[in-house]
Amino acid sequence: DAEITQSPRHKITETGRQVTLACHQTWNHNNMFWYRQDLGHGLRLIHYSYGVQDTNKGEVSDGYSVSRSNTEDLPLTLESAASSQTSVYFCASSPGSPGAEQFFGPGTRLTVL
Amino acid sequence: KQEVTQIPAALSVPEGENLVLNCSFTDSAIYNLQWFRQDPGKGLTSLLLIQSSQREQTSGRLNASLDKSSGRSTLYIAASQPGDSATYLCAVEKGGSYIPTFGRGTSLIVHP
Repeated sequence: DAEITQSPRHKITETGRQVTLACHQTWNHNNMFWYRQDLGHGLRLIHYSYGVQDTNKGEVSDGYSVSRSNTEDLPLTLESAASSQTSVYFCASSPGSPGAEQFFGPGTRLTVL
Repeated sequence: KQEVTQIPAALSVPEGENLVLNCSFTDSAIYNLQWFRQDPGKGLTSLLLIQSSQREQTSGRLNASLDKSSGRSTLYIAASQPGDSATYLCAVEKGGSYIPTFGRGTSLIVHP
């Protein structure tokens, strides 16, 4: 069955380190998204991509970057981790058609000490 | 800017009750509305997707309705069970953006 996976599922890192969170989907979806979920803020969009070589900033993109070199993967990089980036990160994907269903990965819990 | 509100924020009911969760949105120019379930420590699972041209969708004990003109959707859960305990989120996709706007969710506890 097609799926969307994230790795690692849990990560502890130190302030200032570079961290990359992986997202891989096997649906061949054009659209991929990264969100963070925090108490009191709900889900917030970090970056998104409509296809290979396409990336766009979401509402909370500062300190994060993504690259899309193939259809299946959208890794999220924290260039210099900060304690404010401690959160649960979700990757999602959807087909490139209006009104299509969005599918989520299991999440990565990141702690920045 | 689209705003999505879910009421109530939390709900605790005895097993067997029929439930209605509410979702309202400010901009009616949407392509779809999607209801998700999130269990503690887990990702979001899609429950129902309603296209803008549809009025409702059903899956088992779940029924979701959409009234675009009034900017409202309801998720009806029939004969609730303890296994229904989770957070339920709704999300609306603005026309042409592919990007959903999420509500904060309703945290549901169904006790035996």
